[in-house]
Amino acid sequence: ELKVEQNPLFLSMQEGKNYTIYCNYSTTSDRLYWYRQDPGKSLESLFVLLSNGAVKQEGRLMASLDTKARLSTLHITAAVHDLSATYFCAVDTNAGGTSYGKLTFGQGTILTVHP
Amino acid sequence: ETGVTQTPRHLVMGMTNKKSLKCEQHLGHNAMYWYKQSAKKPLELMFVYSLEERVENNSVPSRFSPECPNSSHLFLHLHTLQPEDSALYLCASSQGIRRGVWETQYFGPGTRLLVL
Repeated sequence: ELKVEQNPLFLSMQEGKNYTIYCNYSTTSDRLYWYRQDPGKSLESLFVLLSNGAVKQEGRLMASLDTKARLSTLHITAAVHDLSATYFCAVDTNAGGTSYGKLTFGQGTILTVHP
Repeated sequence: ETGVTQTPRHLVMGMTNKKSLKCEQHLGHNAMYWYKQSAKKPLELMFVYSLEERVENNSVPSRFSPECPNSSHLFLHLHTLQPEDSALYLCASSQGIRRGVWETQYFGPGTRLLVL
């Protein structure tokens, strides 16, 4: 059974600080996603990582993927209050060539950025 | 309307009621998904429809019955639910593989369901 584990599950940060959220998964996959969810809202796609060594950056967030270690990281640089949300990683376990995805989600990391 | 929409946004029902959740995607996608988000569990995939055919059913109890009449609409019919079925039910859609690159799943706002 595939397991996707995030840590930490709760993260309280000061504005301006840096931190990293980790996502470990237990089976082979070369497709990993990061999503953001604001309270009472739906999931918003942040990054899609499709190969070993992939790195993507958007604003203060940077995601990377190491398929050999089965590890993805989401790095937050100089955090601001607007980044407060729950962040999920999700691993796609469907074989290539299918017409749909099959995502297994981590538990989510609740990030709170305070002054 | 744009993106993925869901109705109703909130639903309270008794254990003997029958209700339906509706999802509509305006993105021209060919795969649609139902997920359950409970307070104490990670997001769980329930059903997947690809090209209007059900391709995944993740051991979901029969009191949940999905329906996909066309590629833009997805329903989840509910009957004789239990209080532990109270959760946020999220619908998503995706294009599938295009030019060798996997397409992201786009989520709707969800239906908050409370079973009394």
